[in-house]
Formats: sequence, structure tokens, C-alpha cells
Amino acid sequence: DVKVTQSSRYLVKRTGEKVFLECVQDMDHENMFWYRQDPGLGLRLIYFSYDVKMKEKGDIPEGYSVSREKKERFSLILESASTNQTSMYLCASIPGDRAFRDGYTFGSGTRLTVV
Amino acid sequence: GENVEQHPSTLSVQEGDSAVIKCTYSDSASNYFPWYKQELGKRPQLIIDIRSNVGEKKDQRIAVTLNKTAKHFSLHITETQPEDSAVYFCAASIRGNDMRFGAGTRLTVKP
Repeated sequence: DVKVTQSSRYLVKRTGEKVFLECVQDMDHENMFWYRQDPGLGLRLIYFSYDVKMKEKGDIPEGYSVSREKKERFSLILESASTNQTSMYLCASIPGDRAFRDGYTFGSGTRLTVV
Repeated sequence: GENVEQHPSTLSVQEGDSAVIKCTYSDSASNYFPWYKQELGKRPQLIIDIRSNVGEKKDQRIAVTLNKTAKHFSLHITETQPEDSAVYFCAASIRGNDMRFGAGTRLTVKP
């Protein structure tokens, strides 16, 4: 019963390409997040969204943008991919009542390699 | 900025022994502290969480303790089994629904 779906498991892109990472959740959650995961650095927040068409920068937004046109979909965009953006990208969501109940629900991740 | 420090980065124990992972946080307003387990090639899964009005919580072989004064919390796994081998992440809530994660601990349980 997959609830947070990331469209690609593995991606290989060239330097300078524009890259779209898609995330869809079927739990009617208001809040969605994009993290990148790197060894020894844990999960670092790139962008998050509390509502449709709303976005806020996380800790490492440089080189990324996001789009939230519909509640269930949160897209991460690499405007011009660079090799230092090679990483595992994880999408997560939680309900919007601003009180944690069950923590995040994560997608299965997209491993992006930029060559 | 708000930080979460996690130690150790790697931990190897013999099956049946206990494992302890410790985290500290800097934001005094943090009030929710989840732990995630990530098996190789899989997504992080919530295994246990604790809120700031509780000092300890237990779920079978897993327990979490919280010391708000010292701003640290710990994960305890007793009677470890090989299937406990994974990367474990701690996290602390900040600014409503946002969270900060520790760098992770790779736990290996040797049979």
C-alpha cells in the first residue's frame, strides 16, 4: 500500500540538464517535503510546502526550485544539474494540522546521478 | 541554525546484546522526537517517537528516553537481532511541521 510515490527510482542526467523529480501522495496531506540524503550528512531539507502553490526554502535550496500546483503532487526541479547534486532524493508528507501524529511518510527515493 | 547531533555513526553489536544511539538537539522549542529505521535500499520508516511531555516510551524491544533539560534523547534496542541491522535516524521537530535529522547510525548486528 504505497502512499508516497516517487516517479523514478534511478535517474542519470547530464550536467546542465533541467531535471524534474516527481512526488505524489494519496493521503490528502497538506504538507510535503523534499530532502536529499548523503552519507554522513543525514537528511537535509531542500524545500517544503504547506499548501497548494505555497513553498518555503529549507536548509539547502540553492540550485533547486519546486512546484505544487495540486495538493497531491510536489515536484523538485534542478534548473541546471551539476555533479554535486548527485544524491538520493526523498519526498515526505504529513497531515496539515500542525501536530505530529505519526511522523513523516517517506517515498522510496530517487537516486540521481549527474554526469 | 537548529542542529541535531547523532552518535555513534557506526555501531556493531553481537546478536542478543543491547544497542544505544544518542542524539542531542539545539532548539529548546522542539517537542517531537521520532526515530526512523532505513534498511538497505528502502525508505525510512518511523519506528518509535516521543513527545516532550514524556520522559520515556517503550515498544517491545525498542525504547526511547528524553531529557529536555539536557536536550538529548536516546534509542535503546534490547536483545538485538540480525534484522535490526539498518541505518537509524533521529529527528527533532522545529517550527511546526518541520524536522531536523541526525546524520544517521549504521547498526550492524552480528549473528
